[in-house]
Amino acid sequence: AQTVTQSQPEMSVQEAETVTLSCTYDTSESDYYLFWYKQPPSRQMILVIRQEAYKQQNATENRFSVNFQKAAKSFSLKISDSQLGDAAMYFCAYRSHNQGGKLIFGQGTELSVKP
Amino acid sequence: DVKVTQSSRYLVKRTGEKVFLECVQDMDHENMFWYRQDPGLGLRLIYFSYDVKMKEKGDIPEGYSVSREKKERFSLILESASTNQTSMYLCASSLAGVSPGYTFGSGTRLTVV
Repeated sequence: AQTVTQSQPEMSVQEAETVTLSCTYDTSESDYYLFWYKQPPSRQMILVIRQEAYKQQNATENRFSVNFQKAAKSFSLKISDSQLGDAAMYFCAYRSHNQGGKLIFGQGTELSVKP
Repeated sequence: DVKVTQSSRYLVKRTGEKVFLECVQDMDHENMFWYRQDPGLGLRLIYFSYDVKMKEKGDIPEGYSVSREKKERFSLILESASTNQTSMYLCASSLAGVSPGYTFGSGTRLTVV
């Protein structure tokens, strides 16, 4: 069975600085998707970024980028130029490429941004 | 935009009550999911459904059941609520096939007293 681990329950960053959230996963599959979701206090889960495992190039969405290390099964999220609105719970998630694959989540990392 | 609507934002129920959590999506998604979110544990899958009248157990189905009589609606049922079912419940939906995107509802925070 696949597992996802986020070993940082809480992180803090100064506004305008850069922070990296860690995520590792375990799978025997070769084709899958990885995601980072953001959950602000409103509770609405927002997709931040996604990565297809077959793509070697790291995904980037504006200030958000990932470092995808397939062999090491690592998928970290880097937030550049942190803003107050980035404060939220962040979840790493894995989904098999199989049809209807379920999302498997990590434990979450609570990010606070200091002004 | 796809919308996933959960009927209640907050709910307080008594131990032993039968509880229904409703989820409706408006974009004809085939797949629907119920997750439970607890601090330090992340989101854990309770049940999911790939089609009308179909259901599959997730990782923590004990104490729960589901119903999907119509494509747009997926109900989570707590047959006899217990205090250890106090939690945040999130519903999600997605298209069938290899589309990876999920759309989530905004959650129901259930307290069982």
